[in-house]
Amino acid sequence: DQQVKQNSPSLSVQEGRISILNCDYTNSMFDYFLWYKKYPAEGPTFLISISSIKDKNEDGRFTVFLNKSAKHLSLHIVPSQPGDSAVYFCAASRTRDDKIIFGKGTRLHILP
Amino acid sequence: NAGVMQNPRHLVRRRGQEARLRCSPMKGHSHVYWYRQLPEEGLKFMVYLQKENIIDESGMPKERFSAEFPKEGPSILRIQQVVRGDSAAYFCASSPGSYQETQYFGPGTRLLVL
Repeated sequence: DQQVKQNSPSLSVQEGRISILNCDYTNSMFDYFLWYKKYPAEGPTFLISISSIKDKNEDGRFTVFLNKSAKHLSLHIVPSQPGDSAVYFCAASRTRDDKIIFGKGTRLHILP
Repeated sequence: NAGVMQNPRHLVRRRGQEARLRCSPMKGHSHVYWYRQLPEEGLKFMVYLQKENIIDESGMPKERFSAEFPKEGPSILRIQQVVRGDSAAYFCASSPGSYQETQYFGPGTRLLVL
């Protein structure tokens, strides 16, 4: 049973445009959400997080939006750059101290 | 300041052999987490350890898998009598505390069981 779902296995976006990566979750106990970025042959790198008391968190080019009623979150990257080409994992946990549940990832390709 | 180190990076084992995966956390980190990534899947939590203690092993298979984080030396994930289904990438992460975003991941060990 997949509790964190990333329904788009891949996404291609033109350089300079906005990349929007989506994530849905099923467990209403999740209270904390994270996005990780992963390059081939490397481990994931933490990007940005959001707790359920907020609906938006911004860090530079990265913004995460949370819609609790829809159990949906999204990561916006603007403007997209070539170095953003990677696999992005959405993840969730019940608290900041609890184990993380990962989605399957979305591969983002930034086109020149 | 070296990051999280994992070795070996690649490991090939025949069915029935043992696999030992090592993880050296970042300096000053006393919390270690192990994850497994099967092909085309996300990372799945296996176990969370602090020095000499297993805090949460709810993601560990009940048989053949064990983990330790001794007072001195790296954390070890041990898989006995490997089967083909154990072929995966195994990632270790470390953190100074238990907050999720402070987890730093190693590059992973790719285990192939023939």
